[in-house]
Amino acid sequence: DSGVTQTPKHLITATGQRVTLRCSPRSGDLSVYWYQQSLDQGLQFLIQYYNGEERAKGNILERFSAQQFPDLHSELNLSSLELGDSALYFCASSPHSGAYNEQFFGPGTRLTVL
Amino acid sequence: KNEVEQSPQNLTAQEGEFITINCSYSVGISALHWLQQHPGGGIVSLFMLSSGKKKHGRLIATINIQEKHSSLHITASHPRDSAVYICAVSSNRGGSNYKLTFGKGTLLTVNP
Repeated sequence: DSGVTQTPKHLITATGQRVTLRCSPRSGDLSVYWYQQSLDQGLQFLIQYYNGEERAKGNILERFSAQQFPDLHSELNLSSLELGDSALYFCASSPHSGAYNEQFFGPGTRLTVL
Repeated sequence: KNEVEQSPQNLTAQEGEFITINCSYSVGISALHWLQQHPGGGIVSLFMLSSGKKKHGRLIATINIQEKHSSLHITASHPRDSAVYICAVSSNRGGSNYKLTFGKGTLLTVNP
């Protein structure tokens, strides 16, 4: 158990809908990262927040947005969902930002868009 | 060409064998990570290294910065080592914000 929690574990929804994925980092960790893992693309970095502010952005679509709240939990919002958005979404946390931070991964949320 | 290449893609071994998984990368990096993902999806960080060699139990990770290459070794492999092993590099591309770029992973199956 990494100490990172993600809810829900599974989510099934329809195209065009909007969903929110939630992540609680390990106690004391200030950075939260979001990743998408699909069969064809593998793992891809989406976005990082550090102490409430956006720190780095990866291959995140405009239909997706995220935020980190004062209690450091984070939410990833996915809207106008398409079939291709079906994937595993992982959140990870680390104590700080920067290159030399081991990341601790949550169990993931499996999103299925029908 | 992917920025992070792993080989082999699939590896089958007998229990007790010595295993090597390779990772090559084409960008300047600050750190390299080895991750393990079991069936069912959970990801565990095994190593983070920026130079030299690290050892944890039966696992050893090495990195050669000049050759842009890293290896993950498993000694005395066991069926519970069966998993996908993923190499990821942390780079900032000249900026100050770092992100991980991942290899496609190596599926390891260790038979009893």
